[in-house]
Amino acid sequence: GQQLNQSPQSMFIQEGEDVSMNCTSSSIFNTWLWYKQEPGEGPVLLIALYKAGELTSNGRLTAQFGITRKDSFLNISASIPSDVGIYFCAGYTGTASKLTFGTGTRLQVTL
Amino acid sequence: DGGITQSPKYLFRKEGQNVTLSCEQNLNHDAMYWYRQDPGQGLRLIYYSQIVNDFQKGDIAEGYSVSREKKESFPLTVTSAQKNPTAFYLCASSPRPRGEQFFGPGTRLTVL
Repeated sequence: GQQLNQSPQSMFIQEGEDVSMNCTSSSIFNTWLWYKQEPGEGPVLLIALYKAGELTSNGRLTAQFGITRKDSFLNISASIPSDVGIYFCAGYTGTASKLTFGTGTRLQVTL
Repeated sequence: DGGITQSPKYLFRKEGQNVTLSCEQNLNHDAMYWYRQDPGQGLRLIYYSQIVNDFQKGDIAEGYSVSREKKESFPLTVTSAQKNPTAFYLCASSPRPRGEQFFGPGTRLTVL
């Protein structure tokens, strides 16, 4: 199945820094979802986006639905050690009933 | 508490044996999904069900089977036909088709 391109693949940052990651596709998406997964656990839904241009925040997290509907961005401000994990984007395209997942961005936070 | 439960957390089986993974949700969600995740990889869809007594194959259905006899339950059977069954299995549910999906804690299956 199709996968979304996420970048960067991994990030090593210091505590307190801001983080940006994005997800791109060649197809138009109707919904964008951002998840965080910690080792050995299931992904947790962070933010859901439903309209092109939509900007939504959840605490220190902010995500945007790209105007072209082919991309989405996630920003984390003032990172803390518990932000460590893998961040996945996902979305629905066209009339598909299946979520398409990104390849993941692995975030490491150092003190 | 409302949520999705998967049991057991860890499962060991001998090669050639069928094994059934449990997934239960009390969120009153219509749609349920099974994914497989291999180390360092993303999620791949095995089967999904949008309504009771109906389910569709995902991208990697070969060697797996499911049933959806009750709204709250969507068990996955890993059969002996699955050539490489050792993986982390995740169940998810959604309040509606094409809605946001919520995941369970996962079951790590190891076939010896």
